[in-house]
Amino acid sequence: SAVISQKPSRDICQRGTSLTIQCQVDSQVTMMFWYRQQPGQSLTLIATANQGSEATYESGFVIDKFPISRPNLTFSTLTVSNMSPEDSSIYLCTCAGADTQYFGPGTRLTVL
Amino acid sequence: AQSVTQLDSQVPVFEEAPVELRCNYSSSVSVYLFWYVQYPNQGLQLLLKYLSGSTLVKGINGFEAEFNKSQTSFHLRKPSVHISDTAEYFCAVSDRDFGNEKLTFGTGTRLTIIP
Repeated sequence: SAVISQKPSRDICQRGTSLTIQCQVDSQVTMMFWYRQQPGQSLTLIATANQGSEATYESGFVIDKFPISRPNLTFSTLTVSNMSPEDSSIYLCTCAGADTQYFGPGTRLTVL
Repeated sequence: AQSVTQLDSQVPVFEEAPVELRCNYSSSVSVYLFWYVQYPNQGLQLLLKYLSGSTLVKGINGFEAEFNKSQTSFHLRKPSVHISDTAEYFCAVSDRDFGNEKLTFGTGTRLTIIP
């Protein structure tokens, strides 16, 4: 199994600013993922982040808005850029295990 | 493309009563199926999964689910619930070609246990 921590756990930000969310895994993993959970909606995959390569974004998500870094096998960051109230969500980091994904506790973002 | 439908957004159940949380999916390919649970202020954790073999899958905390291919369903059941089962439950599906990557989630069912 893997234990994932995220920072910050929550934040309130002003429109037009950016926030970087950090994700730390307690073991080395090849694949990490970033999800968004908007209020009252299901989890949506934003992108897949593999160490040593550019992140792969899902339809509807772009690198300029959600740049991702993956500098090593235990760490990743997601930046939410030029935020608007529509970006208010819970952002979750996960990593792939043998046959499941392990989830971080999430970052609750509110944009005013 | 795949989709997952959890028809019940909230399910209140008396303690020690049975519960069924419904999940239906649509996919043009063979899938893996998962149930995740999110306890208050915690991250999602895997409850159970169907990869292949027996269609009745047993998970942690006394939960089980049955894969029904003809009805494209994967309903979650527990014969007797406990207060500690209060949580949000998410059904998810993935394309067999991607394994446990690219999970598609349902909107979740909030299970509330009434003492």
